[in-house]
Amino acid sequence: EIVMTQSPAILSLPPGARATLSCRASLSVTDYVAWYQQKPGQAPRLLIYDASNRATGIPARFSGSGSGTDFTLTISSLEPEDFAVYYCQQRSTWPPTFGGGTKVEVK
Amino acid sequence: EVQLVESGGGLVQPGGSLRLSCAASGFAFSRFWMTWVRQVPGKGLEWVASIKQDASERYYVDSVKGRFTISKDNTRNSLYLQMNSLRAEDTAIYYCTRDPVRRYDWWGQGTLVTVSS
Repeated sequence: EIVMTQSPAILSLPPGARATLSCRASLSVTDYVAWYQQKPGQAPRLLIYDASNRATGIPARFSGSGSGTDFTLTISSLEPEDFAVYYCQQRSTWPPTFGGGTKVEVK
Repeated sequence: EVQLVESGGGLVQPGGSLRLSCAASGFAFSRFWMTWVRQVPGKGLEWVASIKQDASERYYVDSVKGRFTISKDNTRNSLYLQMNSLRAEDTAIYYCTRDPVRRYDWWGQGTLVTVSS
């Protein structure tokens, strides 16, 4: 199975800062990567699919990039509601697999 | 509006069984793959099982093969997960998700399954 590795595990930033989250696949997944946001006590929410496409209703400050094995989720300017855990996921090969998550916390 | 509502979770002894249900509304249920994803509280996400629109294909994570069965009833707009021979490591929140090609665009609120004696 393809292993998805996210870094850093924890990202401490102030509101208004730019956040850059990384996700690396153990094999090429072309551009079949999605990103999810999860807040405490809530279900995950789809942010980005196929590496760079924003899901319905997702603000423009969220953007995704990458292909092959290296992917990035960027939050251009952190809003208070953006402090959460973020997961990447590949759909290139069965089984679908998730990264371990990056927690974005307030500095 | 899309809604997915899970039910059926609870406390069960090791070796026991549970059947999770997910009631779907707000979209054409018969046109979508559906998937169960689980999460140990405080930990990461794990894909568990997926089923094709017409139930002609089903896929499972290795750790549940032979013990769990995913099914769907397009007449009732419902997804199910029959879980047998439950183990402590199956303890998790189980989420029902809508699955347009192995990405999960809508999630239920989750139902907690606890396997413990």
